[in-house]
Amino acid sequence: DAKTTQPPSMDCAEGRAANLPCNHSTISGNEYVYWYRQIHSQGPQYIIHGLKNNETNEMASLIITEDRKSSTLILPHATLRDTAVYYCIVRKGGATNKLIFGTGTLLAVQP
Amino acid sequence: EAGVTQFPSHSVIEKGQTVTLRCDPISGHDNLYWYRRVMGKEIKFLLHFVKESKQDESGMPNNRFLAERTGGTYSTLKVQPAELEDSGVYFCASSPYGSGADTQYFGPGTRLTVL
Repeated sequence: DAKTTQPPSMDCAEGRAANLPCNHSTISGNEYVYWYRQIHSQGPQYIIHGLKNNETNEMASLIITEDRKSSTLILPHATLRDTAVYYCIVRKGGATNKLIFGTGTLLAVQP
Repeated sequence: EAGVTQFPSHSVIEKGQTVTLRCDPISGHDNLYWYRRVMGKEIKFLLHFVKESKQDESGMPNNRFLAERTGGTYSTLKVQPAELEDSGVYFCASSPYGSGADTQYFGPGTRLTVL
């Protein structure tokens, strides 16, 4: 699976949009971009995933560049409860493929 | 719909003892995964079941770890004998069988402390 690069930490003001970048320059055509987060010591929580097109759900938006070498996770209105470690993971499709977690980005939402 | 559940939430044992962790996946999910995070390191994959069969156990650290999924429903992960370095949080995840993007949903984890 392709490796990803994320900043170790970011701050965001409560109520503002949080934009978390991820580089995955060696991504293959059949690899998806997944985002998970881990709040404190809870289990990783699925946020969103995409292949080529931008995606939006009730939690976040995912913007993937046209060359697919980078992406941005957008939390439109960050709250204090969004403080967590966010993981960008690139993974081939299919259930047989494990998730490979990196160190992620610690997002601190400030009041 | 109930999510992935794990039992116990915490376990404290002495070095050399045996511990068994349990995971109940989301109903109907054929795929079950075990991961763990030890000593502040990254979350690492341990193994993957498809129904009752081990699909990938490349992440199992050594033969002190034994995972089972009899009947293709819940799974157990036994550590025998436990060592100090086994301390950490053990996560279970499940996903429905299918191709394409197959999202894994995680349980809350079991925090294991070996003294």
